[in-house]
Amino acid sequence: EPEVTQTPSHQVTQMGQEVILRCVPISNHLYFYWYRQILGQKVEFLVSFYNNEISEKSEIFDDQFSVERPDGSNFTLKIRSTKLEDSAMYFCASSREYYQETQYFGPGTRLLVL
Amino acid sequence: SQELEQSPQSLIVQEGKNLTINCTSSKTLYGLYWYKQKYGEGLIFLMMLQKGGEEKSHEKITAKLDEKKQQSSLHITASQPSHAGIYLCGAAYSGNTGKLIFGQGTTLQVKP
Repeated sequence: EPEVTQTPSHQVTQMGQEVILRCVPISNHLYFYWYRQILGQKVEFLVSFYNNEISEKSEIFDDQFSVERPDGSNFTLKIRSTKLEDSAMYFCASSREYYQETQYFGPGTRLLVL
Repeated sequence: SQELEQSPQSLIVQEGKNLTINCTSSKTLYGLYWYKQKYGEGLIFLMMLQKGGEEKSHEKITAKLDEKKQQSSLHITASQPSHAGIYLCGAAYSGNTGKLIFGQGTTLQVKP
């Protein structure tokens, strides 16, 4: 069964460093998402992406964040200068359609900023 | 703001017992999604509801959306240890967004 994969599973970084989180969405899906979950808090929407453009983004998704689909399979989230409060589990998701369509989530990348 | 509240926050049941988890929205839902998460892992899709009064079942799990589309329930019949985890409801509030708003989750423990 097709699934969303994410690498790395864990990442530890120093404050101020850049990190890139990688995702491989399900192959016939066209819409891609990043969510995050700070420990003990709700899963929060960050951004959605389609056709090499951001479709929607939340207030959390500021200039420190960027997303890219560098090739036909990968979808990345870059945090330019990490802050302590960026420590969270980051989930990638994908769907075939944008509206009224199930989003399938990856296993997540746990990011720890020291 | 769009608020989605789940109750109870946590639940401990004896194996074999039935249980219900509720998800209540402050605004009319366009779509409601149920996911299951094991601690520290990804979200596994369970069911999606869109129509008022809709009910879906998969194995021993049944999800319902009320007629007003502001409340959903997830019912597990004859619970098993494999049902343990965190259940999350996620809401879409309009037909032109893919953004999901999640509840805080309900942690279920099933005692053998």
